[in-house]
Amino acid sequence: AQKITQTQPGMFVQEKEAVTLDCTYDTSDPSYGLFWYKQPSSGEMIFLIYQGSYDQQNATEGRYSLNFQKARKSANLVISASQLGDSAMYFCAMREAAGTGTASKLTFGTGTRLQVTL
Amino acid sequence: SQTIHQWPATLVQPVGSPLSLECTVEGTSNPNLYWYRQAAGRGLQLLFYSVGIGQISSEVPQNLSASRPQDRQFILSSKKLLLSDSGFYLCAWTPRRLAGNTIYFGEGSWLTVV
Repeated sequence: AQKITQTQPGMFVQEKEAVTLDCTYDTSDPSYGLFWYKQPSSGEMIFLIYQGSYDQQNATEGRYSLNFQKARKSANLVISASQLGDSAMYFCAMREAAGTGTASKLTFGTGTRLQVTL
Repeated sequence: SQTIHQWPATLVQPVGSPLSLECTVEGTSNPNLYWYRQAAGRGLQLLFYSVGIGQISSEVPQNLSASRPQDRQFILSSKKLLLSDSGFYLCAWTPRRLAGNTIYFGEGSWLTVV
C-alpha cells in the first residue's frame, strides 16, 4: 500500500493566486514527520516545510503553509501569492521512527508538477 | 557548517559498463547516509541506507550495490549497468538521532545508460 499519496500529477495556478497541493499518508506509527520539497528542473531537492505529528499548530514558512489534518491523515501544502519561480515538482514525504539498529527513512510521494501562469 | 557533495553531476554510460557515484559529507560525524533514485517523472525511491562504516541496508533488489568505506563517504556502484538504471540519483544524510526536518540532500547525479 502507498504510504504517501499525491493524487494531482499536475496543477496550474495563476500568478498571485493561492494553490493547494494534496498529500495523504498512511502510518501506524504515532511519531512521524511530514515534509514538503520543491524540485526545480535542475534536480536539487529544496526543503520547504516540516510538520511533526505531535505539533499542535500547522507549520508555516513564509508563503508556504501546511494544512495538517491528523485524523484524515492529510498534509496539504498551501502556497500563497504564487510566483513564476514556484513552477516545479513538489514532493510530499513522510519520516517514520527508526527501528533498533536501523535508520529513519523518508518515503516520498510521486509528486505534483506545478505550473504558474501569467 | 555541514555540507554534502556528490559526483559526478552527469554521466552517460553504455550498457554493461561499471558505475561509481560518490557522496561525501563534511562538518559532521556518524551520519546516517542514504541513496535515492528518481526515474523520469517519478518520485524518489530509497535504494540503500547506512548507519555506520561497512553497514549497508538495501531497500529494493536491483543491479546496484553500495559501500561505506569511511564514516562520511558513501559510494553507489554497479558492475554492469542496465538501461533501467538510468535516472537521477540523490545522496542524503541525517544526524544519527534524526529529529525534526534535518535531512540534507546532495546536488544529484544524472545517469543515462545508452
